[in-house]
Parts: sequence; C-alpha cells; structure tokens
Amino acid sequence: QVQLQESGPGLVKPSETLSLTCTVSGDSVSSRNYYWSWVRQTPGKGLAWIGYISHTGSTYYNPSLKSRVTISVDTSKVHFSLNLSSVTAADTGLYYCARVEVGSGNYPFDYWGQGTQVTVSS
Amino acid sequence: DIQMTQSPSSLSAFVGDRVTITCRPSQTISSYLNWYQQKPGKAPRLLISGASTLQSGVPSRYSGSGSGTVFTLTISNLQPEDFATYSCQQTYSIPWTFGQGTKVEIK
Repeated sequence: QVQLQESGPGLVKPSETLSLTCTVSGDSVSSRNYYWSWVRQTPGKGLAWIGYISHTGSTYYNPSLKSRVTISVDTSKVHFSLNLSSVTAADTGLYYCARVEVGSGNYPFDYWGQGTQVTVSS
Repeated sequence: DIQMTQSPSSLSAFVGDRVTITCRPSQTISSYLNWYQQKPGKAPRLLISGASTLQSGVPSRYSGSGSGTVFTLTISNLQPEDFATYSCQQTYSIPWTFGQGTKVEIK
C-alpha cells in the first residue's frame, strides 16, 4: 500500500524559507511511472498545484511560484522535499504531497499525504 | 493559466437523490480532467481520471462525462458517505489547475 507523509515546521517567519519533506512508503520516487508533486490548499483559493519532480530529477513548477520554489529528491529515493523561499502570509495553508500517475497520460493524483498545516507569522 | 469553474458552488440533497456537478475550463482540455472528493480534515481522494475512468474501489454510482469545455460528475443514489466537497482538475497544460470545489450537503 502506497503511503505519503508530510513533515516539517508548522510555523515559518515572513521572508524565511518553508521546508517540507514527504516520506514515501510502498513505492519509490525513482519509479518511472510516476511524478511526485506538491499541492497546497488555502481557504480563499482552494487547491493549487505547486510543482512536481520526475524519476529523472526533472522538475516543473507553477509559474506563479517558480522563482521561489525548489523540489528535490534525496539519495535514499524515499523522500522528496519542497523549499519555498521568501514566504509571506499568503503562503499560509495546508500543504500536501501527492503521487502523479504518468502512464495513462491524464496525470491523476492517485495518492496523497494527509497534509501539513503551515502558518507564516512572526 | 486555464481557469476551472465549477457549478454550483454548493448544493443540498437528500439521500437517494441524483446530483450533477459541472466543471467548465476556460479553454478546451480534451479529456484531461480528473475529479476528487474531499472530506473535512482529509486529503483529496481521486474518483475519476480522464473525464470518465472510474478509479478502483470507487462505487459505480459515480460517473463522469464530457470533453473539451464541459464536464460533469454525477452521483446517482446519493449515500450518506457521499456528502463532501468535489473538485475538478485539468492536466491538459501546466500549470495544472483545480476548480474551486462544490460542497454537497445533506438536506
């Protein structure tokens, strides 16, 4: 059974960097059949895709966040991470990691972590 | 960015009812449309991919249809566990975008 679990600080100061890790079990981020993605949810704007990383390490980011976002995979291949720099209160929200199925071409997000709340405040 | 507009934003229905939720992208997206269900305090759950492909384990009372610029999610014979928020998502072009959600409540 595939499981994803987000972890990281729940409180980040304005202008600092938000750093989250997603731990994957039951699969590997080196699997060529999937991308590994981050999504956030805010009360005002609903679900928003942040970006993904593929098994080759290629990344795609939402242009609205591209200048501030980095998604990476660690050498263990069971964790992937999100770094979002220069955060403001607008970055407050519930952050999810998710697996994206590639084979069908429809890129559905088939497994999700439970989400982790991040608040940006001094 | 492709804007995804769902209607209605909320609805009330009885157990046993048939409900339909519509999703309209701001431009054509072929069939690159996925539907998710989300309950309070839980992560989204994938229901339908590619506009109409029901995911394993999802009850057959759920169905999806459409292509291009109009898509629908239909729940027939609404059950108590179906009361949740439903969101569409386009994966036709990056950035992938979601609808604002439709909350289905008990009448």
